[in-house]
Amino acid sequence: NAGVTQTPKFRVLKTGQSMTLLCAQDMNHEYMYWYRQDPGMGLRLIHYSVGEGTTAKGEVPDGYNVSRLKKQNFLLGLESAAPSQTSVYFCASRAGASGANVLTFGAGSRLTVL
Amino acid sequence: LAKTTQPISMDSYEGQEVNITCSHNNIATNDYITWYQQFPSQGPRFIIQGYKTKVTNEVASLFIPADRKSSTLSLPRVSLSDTAVYYCLVGSPGYSSASKIIFGSGTRLSIRP
Repeated sequence: NAGVTQTPKFRVLKTGQSMTLLCAQDMNHEYMYWYRQDPGMGLRLIHYSVGEGTTAKGEVPDGYNVSRLKKQNFLLGLESAAPSQTSVYFCASRAGASGANVLTFGAGSRLTVL
Repeated sequence: LAKTTQPISMDSYEGQEVNITCSHNNIATNDYITWYQQFPSQGPRFIIQGYKTKVTNEVASLFIPADRKSSTLSLPRVSLSDTAVYYCLVGSPGYSSASKIIFGSGTRLSIRP
């Protein structure tokens, strides 16, 4: 049981390049979330999903897109990376409304945009 | 969602008991209080959750007064490895609350020898 797995763990991009971060969970969780964390700061919610095929905006959605084509996967895309998107990205999942109100986090993906 | 307020930072020494208080004046009837711990370069991890009175597990205790407008995370006999950021969240298991789970800045706990 791996929990929440994020790939890649590290990535360096040049300004204007695009990339996709993958989050996979094997706990059959309904809800999934993408956060970013800048140095010395708390987590900020980018996008979230409450089920397969659904996505919604969080606190800081600009510059990002997401997709949830399969229940176990939640993809975060950057179409045209900017230095301001240099951050550590965390994915999390939790059971549905009837489950425990507890998030399980991945190990993070560290992104640097030059 | 209920807004939470907690101290930005705290310092303590090994072997001491540490209490971190979180204020959540607008907590709703169905809301639970959940605490997470985050070590440097790692994702947050769940440590304890409660609804009222007191909850204890192998890591910490959570004290919740009758009015539930605040809660206190208690870490007994801390060690250097307890140095981390601690986040307090309030929300219900229901759909409307689970749709957006917002973390604040947390409390940065530093333990000294």
